[in-house]
Amino acid sequence: EVQLVESGGGLVQPGRSMKLSCAASGFTFSSFPMAWVRQAPTKGLEWVATISTSGGSTYYRDSVKGRFTISRDNAKSTLYLQMNSLRSEDTATYYCTRDLATRVSDWFAYWGQGTLVTVSS
Amino acid sequence: DIQMTQSPASLSASLGETVTIECLASEDIYSNLAWYQQKPGKSPQLLIYYANSLNDGVPSRFSGSGSGTQYSLKINSLQSEDVSIYFCQQNYDSPYTFGAGTKLELK
Repeated sequence: EVQLVESGGGLVQPGRSMKLSCAASGFTFSSFPMAWVRQAPTKGLEWVATISTSGGSTYYRDSVKGRFTISRDNAKSTLYLQMNSLRSEDTATYYCTRDLATRVSDWFAYWGQGTLVTVSS
Repeated sequence: DIQMTQSPASLSASLGETVTIECLASEDIYSNLAWYQQKPGKSPQLLIYYANSLNDGVPSRFSGSGSGTQYSLKINSLQSEDVSIYFCQQNYDSPYTFGAGTKLELK
């Protein structure tokens, strides 16, 4: 059974940093692209970033480019999201997702339970 | 960015009824459209991709159709467990965008 378990969320002040982790199990982690998708409170869904299987290719939405870094450790089956210079508009539940296919398709086939990041002073 | 407009924003239907949710893209997305279901308090689940391909394990009462800029999700014989928010998503062009969601309730 595919499992994605996020951790690392919480309350952080504007301008500070936070690192999210996602522990994956139940599939060959190194074979699938991964992504982060967020959902602001009572709002819709927003794609944040995607990483290829090797980690050699990464893609970001413009509003986080230069501030967020997606990475992965295939030996540990873990996905990360380093978030710097956080803003109030980054407040959201962050979901770790696994791609449907073994090439980047950005169909988000599996989702973790999410971790809430609140940016506030 | 490609805008995804869903309609209606909410709807109420009876058990056994057929329900249709629409999604309109601001430009042609060449069937690069998915539908997700988010049950209350849960994470979203992928139902359909490439406009009409059913994801593994999804009941056959769900179906998708459409092309160009207009797409729809149809739920036949509505069940109580279908009470959810449904989102469409395009992956034709980055940033990959979602619709605002359609909240489906039981009448």
